[in-house]
Amino acid sequence: QVQLVESGGGVVQPGRSLRLSCAASGFTFSTYGMQWVRQAPGKGLEWVAVIWYDGANKYYADSVKGRFTISRDNSKNTVYLQMNSLRAEDTAVYYCARYNSGWYGALADYWGQGTLVTVSS
Amino acid sequence: DIQMTQSPSSLSASVGDRVTITCRTSQSITNYLNWYQQKPGKAPELLIFAASNLQSGVPSRFSGSGSGTDFTLTISSLQPEDFATYYCQQTYSTPWTFGQGTRVEIK
Repeated sequence: QVQLVESGGGVVQPGRSLRLSCAASGFTFSTYGMQWVRQAPGKGLEWVAVIWYDGANKYYADSVKGRFTISRDNSKNTVYLQMNSLRAEDTAVYYCARYNSGWYGALADYWGQGTLVTVSS
Repeated sequence: DIQMTQSPSSLSASVGDRVTITCRTSQSITNYLNWYQQKPGKAPELLIFAASNLQSGVPSRFSGSGSGTDFTLTISSLQPEDFATYYCQQTYSTPWTFGQGTRVEIK
């Protein structure tokens, strides 16, 4: 069965960096795009970034552009989110999700359980 | 960026009620609109994709409609397990924005 397991969250000071990982299993990872979505405490969902199945294309939310980098290693079935220059407003649960694309656009059909990032001094 | 306006932000309803949630986009997205359900402490789950297509395993009481800029999620007969927060998301163009969410509470 499809499984996505995030790791790497924790408490970090403003201005510092953190790298999240999402380990995938149960499907052919190299044929699916992957995305990150976050949710600040008590708030709604915010789309963060997406990477194509082959890593050729990457897109970001304006709020993280220039600070966050999404990448993947298809040999390790893992997608990453490198987060630099972290701010208090980046505090959130970060979810990775597999996305499927076709005539229907794109949909996130499997999600991880999320990892909490807290940016605080 | 495409702006999403979801309404209402919350509603109270009883088991058996018909519930309707709307999502409006700032420009046409044809039918590239998905609906997700999220329960407290859990990851979101896909309900509807491409505006009106039911995801496998989702009960038929859920339905979606609309195209262009106006979309609707309908729960025909609310069940106890449906009390949750619902989000729309457009994937017409990046950034793939979400609506603000609609919290469905027990009356």
